[in-house]
Amino acid sequence: SQQGEEDPQALSIQEGENATMNCSYKTSINNLQWYRQNSGRGLVHLILIRSNEREKHSGRLRVTLDTSKKSSSLLITASRAADTASYFCATDMEYGNKLVFGAGTILRVKS
Amino acid sequence: NAGVTQTPKFRVLKTGQSMTLLCAQDMNHEYMYWYRQDPGMGLRLIHYSVGEGTTAKGEVPDGYNVSRLKKQNFLLGLESAAPSQTSVYFCASSYSRVQPQHFGDGTRLSIL
Repeated sequence: SQQGEEDPQALSIQEGENATMNCSYKTSINNLQWYRQNSGRGLVHLILIRSNEREKHSGRLRVTLDTSKKSSSLLITASRAADTASYFCATDMEYGNKLVFGAGTILRVKS
Repeated sequence: NAGVTQTPKFRVLKTGQSMTLLCAQDMNHEYMYWYRQDPGMGLRLIHYSVGEGTTAKGEVPDGYNVSRLKKQNFLLGLESAAPSQTSVYFCASSYSRVQPQHFGDGTRLSIL
């Protein structure tokens, strides 16, 4: 079974609204990363949060990490049509040599 | 600066045929990865390499082989293609294991 699972599977919002996506995982991690994938393209790294960090910001992105609940959230504020994409969380497990990706959240921002 | 380049972008094969997917990176990264992406399943790691001359199995290695003869290149081979290998294949690279990965734009492979 997958280490990281995103919720919701799909999200549709109006331009200007905030979008929140959640990720849950099962085992201890070194860090958790969020990636974006535009249709027909490869994944692009957005933000990395280490296991000893609780919150991180990058532009309109805000990521939180709760290691006690084994969960993370990605908040995109003031969304734009260009934010339409799939968003994946990936966990760097404490014992392992690889990232494990979730199935992703499909975000659609309507203009 | 091209980043990660995958060749070819599209390919259609018949069952039983063989082919090699090429991945090249120009960032001097040590780590390279091959993933497959299927609908609703996210990315699954096929094989990876932690440096020139090394390879290791990932989550779904069966039916695939890899080679890393040069640091900048990582090749994925299908010896006898099967319809179950129809997928989008992504190559990625990173400076170290804990650093973010940089992805190519994928190879869309259909096996009839």
